[in-house]
Amino acid sequence: EPEVTQTPSHQVTQMGQEVILRCVPISNHLYFYWYRQILGQKVEFLVSFYNNEISEKSEIFDDQFSVERPDGSNFTLKIRSTKLEDSAMYFCASTPDISNQPQHFGDGTRLSIL
Amino acid sequence: RKEVEQDPGPFNVPEGATVAFNCTYSNSASQSFFWYRQDCRKEPKLLMSVYSSGNEDGRFTAQLNRASQYISLLIRDSKLSDSATYLCVVNRGYGGATNKLIFGTGTLLAVQP
Repeated sequence: EPEVTQTPSHQVTQMGQEVILRCVPISNHLYFYWYRQILGQKVEFLVSFYNNEISEKSEIFDDQFSVERPDGSNFTLKIRSTKLEDSAMYFCASTPDISNQPQHFGDGTRLSIL
Repeated sequence: RKEVEQDPGPFNVPEGATVAFNCTYSNSASQSFFWYRQDCRKEPKLLMSVYSSGNEDGRFTAQLNRASQYISLLIRDSKLSDSATYLCVVNRGYGGATNKLIFGTGTLLAVQP
């Protein structure tokens, strides 16, 4: 069964540094999503992306965050200047279309900000 | 009020028990509903979608009551391997180019031998 894959599995970064989290969505999927989960808290929506532009973003997704699909396969989340509170699990998901079908998640990147 | 509310648990049950999880959602425009399961420090994995007619998958039964904005999950004959956090998830889906999932905080299930 096709899967969403994410790299790296764990990223440790100094506060103030830039990080890029990478995702390879399921091929032929057109809609892409990032979510995050701070330890001990619920999963929260960050952003959805379609047709090379953001279709929706949450309040969490401020100017420090950006997303990009630099080529035909990768979907990236960049945090420009990391803060301690950015420490979390970041999950990527994709869907083939905008219908109300479930999203399947990659196994996540654990981001630790020191 | 939280958009998706669940009892956080933990639910401690013996093997073989039947356990029920409940969830309420506040946005009546919500389009679709799911139960996911999450093991410690892992990604959420889809357990099942939830339909108004109710649906069953082996030992798992899900129900949706749109009028009450209430979702349930029943696990029969629980196994040790069912121990996990169960996430109630709602797709707000206003239409257009959005397909945002809203997660509950999850209910922790611990099945005891």
